[in-house]
Amino acid sequence: GAVVSQHPSWVICKSGTSVKIECRSLDFQATTMFWYRQFPKQSLMLMATSNEGSKATYEQGVEKDKFLINHASLTLSTLTVTSAHPEDSSFYICSARGSGGDLSTEAFFGQGTRLTVV
Amino acid sequence: AQTVTQSQPEMSVQEAETVTLSCTYDTSESDYYLFWYKQPPSRQMILVIRQEAYKQQNATENRFSVNFQKAAKSFSLKISDSQLGDAAMYFCAYTGTSGTYKYIFGTGTRLKVLA
Repeated sequence: GAVVSQHPSWVICKSGTSVKIECRSLDFQATTMFWYRQFPKQSLMLMATSNEGSKATYEQGVEKDKFLINHASLTLSTLTVTSAHPEDSSFYICSARGSGGDLSTEAFFGQGTRLTVV
Repeated sequence: AQTVTQSQPEMSVQEAETVTLSCTYDTSESDYYLFWYKQPPSRQMILVIRQEAYKQQNATENRFSVNFQKAAKSFSLKISDSQLGDAAMYFCAYTGTSGTYKYIFGTGTRLKVLA
């Protein structure tokens, strides 16, 4: 299957600083990438959808100025949490879809990033 | 809008026994895909099985099979010969074939496997 790599796996940052999370498709071109947030023992909450070269589409209630998403190439999307606060602490997961066959109908997930803001 | 409902927050099964996890969904689309994902403690999302709505035949992957009832909008997962490694959160997911193709997840079912 297609491989998506997410980095870092975990990060601790100080309140008020920004942190960037990378999501890379290693063996296919990701035309669409999705960013999710998952609270403990809860489901995945879609934050935004990004298509390569376009601005991300944010879900209702997600602050686009706080969660900056860039999808500059067909293999890389980044999520930057700006001016992080303890309430931003969570597990963030990316997924990617390609074009053609199973790549277009199945989402391939990264390993996730545990963000702790202290 | 599409919705996915998992009504069983937690299920338990004895090792080697069979368990069925329930999922219902709502959509006005005629063509779509349904998935079951497993999330173990590592939190890596692992695809268990997928079903294309236009296929009447239920999907099967080794010990995992689904009962897809399109008219009833039901998509249950059956795990046969349960193993300790099957213990995880299981999420049912829906995606359409138009628009942004985003996934809609159910709330999940935690499966415990008893030795």
